Amino acid sequence: EVQLVESGGGLVQPGRSLRLSCAASGFTFDDYAMHWVRQAPGKGLEWVSGISWNSGSIGYADSVKGRFTISRDNAKNSLYLQMNSLRAEDTALYYCAKEATISAGWFDPWGQGTLVTVSS
Amino acid sequence: DIQMTQSPSSLSASVGDRVTITCRASQSISSYLNWYQQKPGKAPKLLIYAASSLQSGVPSRFSGSGSGTDFTLTISSLQPEDFATYYCQQSYSTLGYTFGQGTKLEIK
Repeated sequence: EVQLVESGGGLVQPGRSLRLSCAASGFTFDDYAMHWVRQAPGKGLEWVSGISWNSGSIGYADSVKGRFTISRDNAKNSLYLQMNSLRAEDTALYYCAKEATISAGWFDPWGQGTLVTVSS
Repeated sequence: DIQMTQSPSSLSASVGDRVTITCRASQSISSYLNWYQQKPGKAPKLLIYAASSLQSGVPSRFSGSGSGTDFTLTISSLQPEDFATYYCQQSYSTLGYTFGQGTKLEIK
């Protein structure tokens, strides 16, 4: 069974940093692109960032470009999101998601999310 | 960036109804359109990919259609477990994906 377990969320002050992790199991991690998608409280889904299987291709939403960095460690079956210069508007539940098939662009499954709250 | 617009934003319907949700892209995205269902407190679940392909395990009452800029998600006969929020997502722009704002389907 494919499992994605996010961690690293919490309460952080504006301007500070946080690193999210996603531990993957149940599939060949280094075959698939991976993504972060967030959802602000009571709001819709926003794709944040994605990374190809070999880290050769990376993309970011304009809202986080220059502040967030996605990375992966295929040896550890783990995905990361380094979030710097955090703002109140970054407050959200952050989901880790696997591309459903190789080079698919659609996401299945998703983890249960880790909550990031940016507040003083 | 490709903008995705769903309509309606919310919808009330009854068990057994046929329901259609629309998603429009700001430019042509061929068939690179996917649909998700999200229930309160849960992660989104993939329903339809590539505009019209049903994800494994998803009931056949769900169907998708469209290409270019206009797409629809149809539920042929609403079941109690279908009341949720639905999102479309374009996968045309590789590593530049966007979601629609969501359609909340409520019980009438």
